[in-house]
Amino acid sequence: AQKVTQAQTEISVVEKEDVTLDCVYETRDTTYYLFWYKQPPSGELVFLIRRNSFDEQNEISGRYSWNFQKSTSSFNFTITASQVVDSAVYFCALITLINYGGSQGNLIFGKGTKLSVKP
Amino acid sequence: DGGITQSPKYLFRKEGQNVTLSCEQNLNHDAMYWYRQDPGQGLRLIYYSQIVNDFQKGDIAEGYSVSREKKESFPLTVTSAQKNPTAFYLCASSIDHRTNSNEQFFGPGTRLTVL
Repeated sequence: AQKVTQAQTEISVVEKEDVTLDCVYETRDTTYYLFWYKQPPSGELVFLIRRNSFDEQNEISGRYSWNFQKSTSSFNFTITASQVVDSAVYFCALITLINYGGSQGNLIFGKGTKLSVKP
Repeated sequence: DGGITQSPKYLFRKEGQNVTLSCEQNLNHDAMYWYRQDPGQGLRLIYYSQIVNDFQKGDIAEGYSVSREKKESFPLTVTSAQKNPTAFYLCASSIDHRTNSNEQFFGPGTRLTVL
């Protein structure tokens, strides 16, 4: 089975705190891609990052960083020095290359984590 | 500006009526997708299209229909057979469905409410 689990339904922090959003995935495939999307209150999903299964290097982009660990099937997302504008729902998603019942090439989303950053 | 547009932003429908949601993209993408989002849930795939005049069912296609007569357009019809159509609908596109690593770009969404 293929599945993405975001165990944290809601997180609330105060501005300037660091916050980590967890993502755990399941797949039988050895080649896959992981994504993070941000959904602000306006509703549109904004692409943040894509990572393939062969690249376990952590990535940093400004205040955002991602920790990919195949050993634990996790792809966690950390926001450093959070800001009010970071308030949104964040989705982790998975794409695999093997056709499991027609799902090849289709994004499988977690249920999302709602982040609220208070001033 | 390149992007994806969806209209209308809000849509109200009476029970038993069919309704069509519009999705247009000017990114020259081959692949287009329709997702449904319910409160506290992730996105679930309704239909997708890899190329003009072709489309495939996703995980929750029952009660929905689509067409892909033009590359830039992928309208979704919510039929009266859909038992619980009230939801937020998101359209997306990507360069090529066969290149699985391509990110999908999303439109602003349509919120459908059945009265």
